[in-house]
Amino acid sequence: AQTVTQSQPEMSVQEAETVTLSCTYDTSESDYYLFWYKQPPSRQMILVIRQEAYKQQNATENRFSVNFQKAAKSFSLKISDSQLGDAAMYFCAYRSYNAGNMLTFGGGTRLMVKP
Amino acid sequence: SQTIHQWPATLVQPVGSPLSLECTVEGTSNPNLYWYRQAAGRGLQLLFYSVGIGQISSEVPQNLSASRPQDRQFILSSKKLLLSDSGFYLCAFTYHPNPEAFFGQGTRLTVV
Repeated sequence: AQTVTQSQPEMSVQEAETVTLSCTYDTSESDYYLFWYKQPPSRQMILVIRQEAYKQQNATENRFSVNFQKAAKSFSLKISDSQLGDAAMYFCAYRSYNAGNMLTFGGGTRLMVKP
Repeated sequence: SQTIHQWPATLVQPVGSPLSLECTVEGTSNPNLYWYRQAAGRGLQLLFYSVGIGQISSEVPQNLSASRPQDRQFILSSKKLLLSDSGFYLCAFTYHPNPEAFFGQGTRLTVV
């Protein structure tokens, strides 16, 4: 079974600075998807960014980018120019192409943004 | 566009009472449906998933059950709630060809 690990329970960043959230995963598959979801205090899960394993190019969405290292099974999220609205729980997630296409989530990282 | 509705938003139930949480999807057919539970400040635990009507897979043995009576309806139930059933429950769906999951707004369940 796949596992996803987020080793940083909490992180803090100064407004306008850059922060990187870490994620590692374990799988024997070669084709899969990886995601970062944001959960603000409202607890609504919001997709931040996704990465297809077959793509070598790292995904980017405005201020959010990933560093995908397939051989190392690492998938970190970089947030540039941090804003107060970025404060939230961030979850890394893995989805296989098979097995009912379930998402497996990491334990989450709480990001605090200091003004 | 595809949307998901989950209700109720909050629920306070006594121990031993039944539970029914409902989730419906609009804008797509034959979605994969999921129920997750999230303990306070923790990650998401997959409880059940369904790839079609009447097809339910359970990931964790527990006091809960799930049903899918219609293509876009997913129900989480319990005959007798336990204190340990308290938590935040999220319904989600995926649909081909999109790989990402879309989530409902969640139900905060407190068993007293």
